[in-house]
This record gives sequence, C-alpha cells and structure tokens, in this order.
Amino acid sequence: GEQVEQRPPHLSVREGDSAVIICTYTDPNSYYFFWYKQEPGAGLQLLMKVFSSTEINEGQGFTVLLNKKDKQLSLNLTAAHPGDSAVYFCAVRTITGNTGKLIFGLGTTLQVQP
Amino acid sequence: GPKVLQIPSHQIIDMGQMVTLNCDPVSNHLYFYWYKQILGQQMEFLVNFYNGKVMEKSKLFKDQFSVERPDGSYFTLKIQPTALEDSAVYFCASSSGGNTEVFFGKGTRLTVV
Repeated sequence: GEQVEQRPPHLSVREGDSAVIICTYTDPNSYYFFWYKQEPGAGLQLLMKVFSSTEINEGQGFTVLLNKKDKQLSLNLTAAHPGDSAVYFCAVRTITGNTGKLIFGLGTTLQVQP
Repeated sequence: GPKVLQIPSHQIIDMGQMVTLNCDPVSNHLYFYWYKQILGQQMEFLVNFYNGKVMEKSKLFKDQFSVERPDGSYFTLKIQPTALEDSAVYFCASSSGGNTEVFFGKGTRLTVV
C-alpha cells in the first residue's frame, strides 16, 4: 500500500527565514494531497490541498509544490514567524479503493525562533 | 467552517474496562473515520464507515474495537476491553464523499491506566 515519508522530522528556523518540508509517496495512483498543521493540544487544521492535476498552490505565506514525476510534495514557508511553530503533516489519498482514507507522513516539528 | 465535535476531550479509564468515544460529524457528511495518534507520533488510519458499514480497517483496528452510528446520531468508537497500548489521541473525521475534503475533530485523549 501507499507509504509516505516526510522529512525533516524537526526543523528550527529564525523568524523571516524560509522553511521547506518534503514528503515522498510511493503509489502512482495518489491524486489528492493535503498539508495539515497541528498546534499543541489541538486538532488538525487544513493548510492547503492540491489535486494531482495541479502542481502548485499558494496561500497565506505557504506554497505547495507537487512533483508527480518524483512523487514528491513540498510545503514551502517563504517567511516564517513564531505563529508558524507547530507540527506539520502531509497526507495523501490514493484512488485505490476510493474509501477516502488518508495516509499521513510522520510529521515535522517546526520551531520558529523570534 | 464545518466542525467535527468530539466528546469527551479527555478520558481516563482502567485497563479492561469499556470506553466509548463519541463524534458528532459535519452535518450531511456521509463518510466517517477514526485515526489514532500516539503522543508525538504519526496519525494512523483506523477505520472508515459509510452507509452503516465499515468500508476499510487497518491492522490497528483490533477485534476489541467497534464502530457504529445508530440512527444518524453520534459516530462512536468503542473499545472493549481496553489495553494499556490503547492510550492515544483518537481523532474523528468526516467527509461528504470518498474523494472530498476530510474535516477533523480536535481529538479525544484516552489514557488507559
């Protein structure tokens, strides 16, 4: 079945720096991709979503890039601020089975220093 | 935006007892899910439920686990009996379709002692 690798597991940057988190998936039938943000003690907040027909999606200081050839999904923060400190998860849905199941990466703990 | 509500937010239970986690999914959603997150670790799919039936379950969905949504009320996850390794945060989610956006609740932190 689908496997999703996410890196790095931990990332520390200074305010104003950029940050990049990358997920690599295995199933070529994956077609719907998500980035979630989880703050301590909270649920999952959907940051961005992208279908396989789209290769780039932007909003709120984030850019999501999808490289279907390399089966890679990235989340790029252009200018991080302390409020971005959280755990970020990528999640992937495949067409196989079409049950709506999401496969998550292991998460990246992002710390933004003032 | 649409909200998935989970009750309770925390639950402490003695090992071997039964526990029921409740989820109020987004109104009009038809697909329901449970995910398990052990502290600081990955979100892992447990089960999804549609039209009154389990569609798919993972190996984490042990025989002691069951789900139901009687008469359109809460979507529940029941664990009977509980084990220490069931301690985790359980997230409920729902979606309108099998290929639409999934909305998550804030989770129920279950501690089995």
